[in-house]
Amino acid sequence: SQTIHQWPATLVQPVGSPLSLECTVEGTSNPNLYWYRQAAGRGLQLLFYSVGIGQISSEVPQNLSASRPQDRQFILSSKKLLLSDSGFYLCAWSAGIYNEKLFFGSGTQLSVL
Amino acid sequence: AQSVTQLDSQVPVFEEAPVELRCNYSSSVSVYLFWYVQYPNQGLQLLLKYLSGSTLVKGINGFEAEFNKSQTSFHLRKPSVHISDTAEYFCAVSGGATNKLIFGTGTLLAVQP
Repeated sequence: SQTIHQWPATLVQPVGSPLSLECTVEGTSNPNLYWYRQAAGRGLQLLFYSVGIGQISSEVPQNLSASRPQDRQFILSSKKLLLSDSGFYLCAWSAGIYNEKLFFGSGTQLSVL
Repeated sequence: AQSVTQLDSQVPVFEEAPVELRCNYSSSVSVYLFWYVQYPNQGLQLLLKYLSGSTLVKGINGFEAEFNKSQTSFHLRKPSVHISDTAEYFCAVSGGATNKLIFGTGTLLAVQP
């Protein structure tokens, strides 16, 4: 069966520090991978989308970047965190012809202080 | 580019009353439309989807939605709600070359006794 792993679960970082959140998928190949940020009143905001290794689509201009060094690995990064980067980050992968089945990781609560 | 608008951030309703949660979308290509539900402290669960065919789609837990192409809407309805329906509901759209899933900001359905 397919599983998705996301870590860490919580992270407290000072402003200006770097960030690296990792997500890995097991049990499937060539998945579509997503990074979302969930905030109150803003729902699920799509940050990055990837259809394959090295193929990253950025949805919103921001202080973050994403990389996909391996087929089932998706990394969210920042060189210097801002206060506004605080939030709940979710990694996900999709299945189905229409991507209608979306499977989420357990999420990372990031607090930038 | 596609987008989804959920105008109502919160919808209070009494138990056993009918409810409609509104969703409007924008797209220059054919779309696939979805409603997801997120119960407190849980992940997202697919409620129903419109891919093609009949414009009235039925989902789990007695919910249904109607795809209206001329009004670019995909409103979610239930004739009689229960306390257990209290949750956040997200409308989502996919389509085009990449088929990425774009979510609305969510509507909190608050069912009161």
